[in-house]
Amino acid sequence: SAVISQKPSRDICQRGTSLTIQCQVDSQVTMMFWYRQQPGQSLTLIATANQGSEATYESGFVIDKFPISRPNLTFSTLTVSNMSPEDSSIYLCSVELSRNREGYGYTFGSGTRLTVV
Amino acid sequence: QKEVEQNSGPLSVPEGAIASLNCTYSDRGSQSFFWYRQYSGKSPELIMSIYSNGDKEDGRFTAQLNKASQYVSLLIRDSQPSDSATYLCAVESTGRRALTFGSGTRLQVQP
Repeated sequence: SAVISQKPSRDICQRGTSLTIQCQVDSQVTMMFWYRQQPGQSLTLIATANQGSEATYESGFVIDKFPISRPNLTFSTLTVSNMSPEDSSIYLCSVELSRNREGYGYTFGSGTRLTVV
Repeated sequence: QKEVEQNSGPLSVPEGAIASLNCTYSDRGSQSFFWYRQYSGKSPELIMSIYSNGDKEDGRFTAQLNKASQYVSLLIRDSQPSDSATYLCAVESTGRRALTFGSGTRLQVQP
């Protein structure tokens, strides 16, 4: 099953600045997913990133605010741009586990806890 | 109407009891269902997946799916204090490979 390394694990940023979050997977995956988990809330999908094409964004999320790169099959970045305190959340990347006879699922990186001040 | 609904809890059970966690979903075409456990400050961890109507057992965990009722549940037998966490129900929506999560149920197992 895939192992994801996500960094940074946490950051405190000034409003108006940008932060880039990186996810590295130990195997090649077709799709990578970026989620946001606001304080005390569940996970909300931001976008799906395929290698070689533009990311697909969910309703309420736009590329200018959350640009995503997917340069190869093992790596992706999410940038949170022009940050405001409302962007304070945990950001998680996710990939699909290898499918086998038992089934499949999705695994998550360890998350990036972002605080905007 | 939320796409995936869970009772937020907290659900409090004594150690050794059965904890029953429930989830309903709105997309009738959904095919795959997952239960995740999330400890405070940690990322979600996959516990169970279920795709067909009926029960699926894995150790102390049993997932139950009823597509006609659009209902999925997770039973935890012999609950332990280490099971205290938030349990997230997730549904893979029709036609796309991404998850929609419920708001989670916080479980407290009392020693």
